Amino acid sequence: LAKTTQPPSMEAYEGQEVNVSCSHTNIATSEYIYWYRQVPHQGPQFIIQGYKDYVVNEVASLFISADRKLSTLSLPWVSLRDAAVYYCIVTDRMSNYNVLYFGSGTKLTVEP
Amino acid sequence: GPKVLQIPSHQIIDMGQMVTLNCDPVSNHLYFYWYKQILGQQMEFLVNFYNGKVMEKSKLFKDQFSVERPDGSYFTLKIQPTALEDSAVYFCASSLHRVREQYFGPGTRLTVL
Repeated sequence: LAKTTQPPSMEAYEGQEVNVSCSHTNIATSEYIYWYRQVPHQGPQFIIQGYKDYVVNEVASLFISADRKLSTLSLPWVSLRDAAVYYCIVTDRMSNYNVLYFGSGTKLTVEP
Repeated sequence: GPKVLQIPSHQIIDMGQMVTLNCDPVSNHLYFYWYKQILGQQMEFLVNFYNGKVMEKSKLFKDQFSVERPDGSYFTLKIQPTALEDSAVYFCASSLHRVREQYFGPGTRLTVL
């Protein structure tokens, strides 16, 4: 499985757009990119997934570089409730049962 | 959205005792997972379960661990006997299909004394 690298922490103010980057330089053709987030004392929550190009849903958007080595999660208008640890996870949808291997993630702090 | 429930939220037991952690997955989901998170550390995969069988397990899934989902009821993780290093928060997750997103419960905090 491709290893992912994320910044350990980020800070933002309420109302700002936040972009969290994730590097996965050894991503394989059968691997997909998932983003989850976890607030304290809760389980992780799925945000978005993608394979290539650009994906958007009601919560976030995901941009994947043309060579798929870099992805960026974009949160358009962060609020205090978006303070969480954000995990970029690459998983091989062909060879396993979508086991999620969590790294240390990016801790997003949101200031009022 | 869909909810995964976990019972109890906190369990305190003495080392060597048996404990069963219960998970009520999303009703139509077919794939079930347990993850373990020690305080301040990364979430780690333990085991996944489909069609009544363990499909994959990590090296953390020791011989003292077992999982089952009898007759479509709770998906359970049993630890017998427990050890001090089993103290952690255990998260259950479920998904509709193996390539779909996983829904996580709020976790059960297990404290082994």
